[in-house]
Amino acid sequence: GIQVEQSPPDLILQEGANSTLRCNFSDSVNNLQWFHQNPWGQLINLFYIPSGTKQNGRLSATTVATERYSLLYISSSQTTDSGVYFCAGGITGTASKLTFGTGTRLQVTL
Amino acid sequence: NAGVTQTPKFRVLKTGQSMTLLCAQDMNHEYMYWYRQDPGMGLRLIHYSVGEGTTAKGEVPDGYNVSRLKKQNFLLGLESAAPSQTSVYFCASSYSMSSGSSETQYFGPGTRLLVL
Repeated sequence: GIQVEQSPPDLILQEGANSTLRCNFSDSVNNLQWFHQNPWGQLINLFYIPSGTKQNGRLSATTVATERYSLLYISSSQTTDSGVYFCAGGITGTASKLTFGTGTRLQVTL
Repeated sequence: NAGVTQTPKFRVLKTGQSMTLLCAQDMNHEYMYWYRQDPGMGLRLIHYSVGEGTTAKGEVPDGYNVSRLKKQNFLLGLESAAPSQTSVYFCASSYSMSSGSSETQYFGPGTRLLVL
């Protein structure tokens, strides 16, 4: 099956700093999603981004499908950005099953 | 629009007991999923369903059964709970044929299960 590797595993930022999270896939995927798990455990979908670039406020994501990786950019980080960021990938048409990475744990400090 | 809801939020079981976790979605989604999340790990797919009356095994199906008798509900059963099943269980849903929505997965709040 698909292997998903995320880096870095842990990240500590001061409020206002920028960061880039990376996700590598062992095989091609055409269903790629980024999620944020807040400190209370809730999983929120950030992006559905099988290719190209998307932006949503201070967050943006870029997927280079041919090279099997995706990047999540967080700009001007805030304490509310803390939590764990997961990427997940799969193949459309197969019930949209996703394989998750082990996540990047982000802590934003004042 | 409640999205995806899960019942119960927290449960403690003794080894060998059985229980059923309920997931409900009001987005008319075709696909539903059950995941488990263990400390320091990502989510792993237990079972999934592509429509009412259908179920299929995911990555870690042993010790679990599922049913999808109604489109909006997806039940996860543990027939004889084991300590190794202590975990946080998440339900998710995706894809609406009628609205042509993307395959974005929407998650419930999770059920924390402790098996003693």
